[in-house]
Amino acid sequence: GAVVSQHPSWVICKSGTSVKIECRSLDFQATTMFWYRQFPKQSLMLMATSNEGSKATYEQGVEKDKFLINHASLTLSTLTVTSAHPEDSSFYICSARVGRGVGQPQHFGDGTRLSIL
Amino acid sequence: AQTVTQSQPEMSVQEAETVTLSCTYDTSESDYYLFWYKQPPSRQMILVIRQEAYKQQNATENRFSVNFQKAAKSFSLKISDSQLGDAAMYFCAYRVSGNTPLVFGKGTRLSVIA
Repeated sequence: GAVVSQHPSWVICKSGTSVKIECRSLDFQATTMFWYRQFPKQSLMLMATSNEGSKATYEQGVEKDKFLINHASLTLSTLTVTSAHPEDSSFYICSARVGRGVGQPQHFGDGTRLSIL
Repeated sequence: AQTVTQSQPEMSVQEAETVTLSCTYDTSESDYYLFWYKQPPSRQMILVIRQEAYKQQNATENRFSVNFQKAAKSFSLKISDSQLGDAAMYFCAYRVSGNTPLVFGKGTRLSVIA
């Protein structure tokens, strides 16, 4: 089945640094990838929709300059948390879908646990 | 706006018994899909089952089945012969056609009692 690889799985860094999270579709081409954020015991909150070769579409309330998304190829999207602060600590999950058909399931990466000290 | 409502924050079931998780949604679209995802403590999102709005027959995947009531906009998940490995957060999700993301409910935490 379709596999989405997300790296790193866990990162701890100091406040003020930037952190890059990679999301790769391993055996399919993903024209669209989605980035979610999940707080403890809460649901997944969509941050942005990433389209290959174009600018990402951000959800209301998500800072574009804080969360930089790049979708340079059909198999790779990256999320960079710039100048990270403790409030950015969270679980980030990427997701990719094969094609645009309404029935196509979204395949998820295993997530990245980000801890900012 | 599209919304998905899961009214049960927590549920518990005895091992080998049956449990039903509820989900309602709100949409004006006619073409859409409904999904149930499972998120165990590892936090990996696992697709459990999906249902196309045009199909009247309820989807079934082994011990998992749904009760899809389109007019009532209800999409419940039934887990039969519950196992300890079924313990997880369960998210109901919805998507319309086009380049749209899944919209998730708030989730139901299922505990399985041995």
